[in-house]
Amino acid sequence: SAVISQKPSRDICQRGTSLTIQCQVDSQVTMMFWYRQQPGQSLTLIATANQGSEATYESGFVIDKFPISRPNLTFSTLTVSNMSPEDSSIYLCSGIGTGDDNEQFFGPGTRLTVL
Amino acid sequence: GENVGLHLPTLSVQEGDNSIINCAYSNSASDYFIWYKQESGKGPQFIIDIRSNMDKRQGQRVTVLLNKTVKHLSLQIAATQPGDSAVYFCAEGGGTSYGKLTFGQGTILTVHP
Repeated sequence: SAVISQKPSRDICQRGTSLTIQCQVDSQVTMMFWYRQQPGQSLTLIATANQGSEATYESGFVIDKFPISRPNLTFSTLTVSNMSPEDSSIYLCSGIGTGDDNEQFFGPGTRLTVL
Repeated sequence: GENVGLHLPTLSVQEGDNSIINCAYSNSASDYFIWYKQESGKGPQFIIDIRSNMDKRQGQRVTVLLNKTVKHLSLQIAATQPGDSAVYFCAEGGGTSYGKLTFGQGTILTVHP
């Protein structure tokens, strides 16, 4: 399956600032997603990153707080805006490959701590 | 690691034993189910999946069972090894929400040598 890399792998940020996380896939994917995993918890879908158009957000997540870009088939960014300590989480990018199995695979995550 | 949470179910087994991890899912319209393994500091790793037109699927040392009547999913790991120690998540998807996955709470599996 394809390999997803994320940058940065971790960061410590100050309240009120913003952080942009990059996600790069080494081959084409049909769909890309962003998930959040709060400490000790499961994963929650933030949004579907749509190529060349606005992302589709899940309930409880809004574009002003989590703007997402996907300029091409293999790259996406997630920005966490105006951060507060409640935004401290692991942010994970995922993609669905173009093979027949439609496997959804994940990046290593970006661990964000907001002070 | 970041996946250790006091509120996650835990399962401890001896090396060589078989492990069974259970999951209850919520959406009757889900038609695609996946098991992921997440080691500390890493993203979830695909283990095995099953579609709703099946009730059993086998992989290498793993078997997934699906009971749609009671909306229950299980993962069986044969001859569990210390390297299997991780958090295991079930996820459901499909229906009208292609690609979007809803994850279960996770189970911490610890394998003792």
